[in-house]
Amino acid sequence: QKEVEQNSGPLSVPEGAIASLNCTYSDRVSQSFFWYRQYSGKSPELIMSIYSNGDKEDGRFTAQLNKASQYVSLLIRDSQPSDSATYLCAALGSGTYKYIFGTGTRLKVLA
Amino acid sequence: NAGVTQTPKFQVLKTGQSMTLQCAQDMNHNSMYWYRQDPGMGLRLIYYSASEGTTDKGEVPNGYNVSRLNKREFSLRLESAAPSQTSVYFCASSEKGRGEKLFFGSGTQLSVL
Repeated sequence: QKEVEQNSGPLSVPEGAIASLNCTYSDRVSQSFFWYRQYSGKSPELIMSIYSNGDKEDGRFTAQLNKASQYVSLLIRDSQPSDSATYLCAALGSGTYKYIFGTGTRLKVLA
Repeated sequence: NAGVTQTPKFQVLKTGQSMTLQCAQDMNHNSMYWYRQDPGMGLRLIYYSASEGTTDKGEVPNGYNVSRLNKREFSLRLESAAPSQTSVYFCASSEKGRGEKLFFGSGTQLSVL
């Protein structure tokens, strides 16, 4: 199993809907998780970080961490066409300074 | 606020040529990273430097060397470029390196013919 895994998509949702992006991880990563957004041709930018079990909300974004099932989710409420991008899940490797990324999920929000 | 600055933005090399990608950050960050991004592969770590004076291999270090010249600068060298090194390269930095946000440069599009 890869350390961090994501479905590559594309995930298509209508404007105004909730987009749900998922990421699973292995035992080889620590309990620090991050969601980055990357627009085509641009560099990644951090949206959310989450370190504790449960939900963390920031505006239209909610990150969810379930340590028992080893998955991290990002929910985007009231999705907008401007949310169309690739979303990268990342985790810190256990006992290291290495940030490990998933392959990313491409999100398309349809107007 | 320059943040993380990478040069060059674009480069075309012939197989066997060498080049150095430059990266500098002005945020006084301790940790710096080099990633490559290929279609469908996400970001893969090439090398990183947890602090000034230290460097460590990432997932895909073969064919690359790095130098942490000082706290600000972290360069990536391709000694003998190969077509498999055609990719987009990103430099990133973080303040402490563990559990903190990565700040990315704008990337270098490298093509090896």
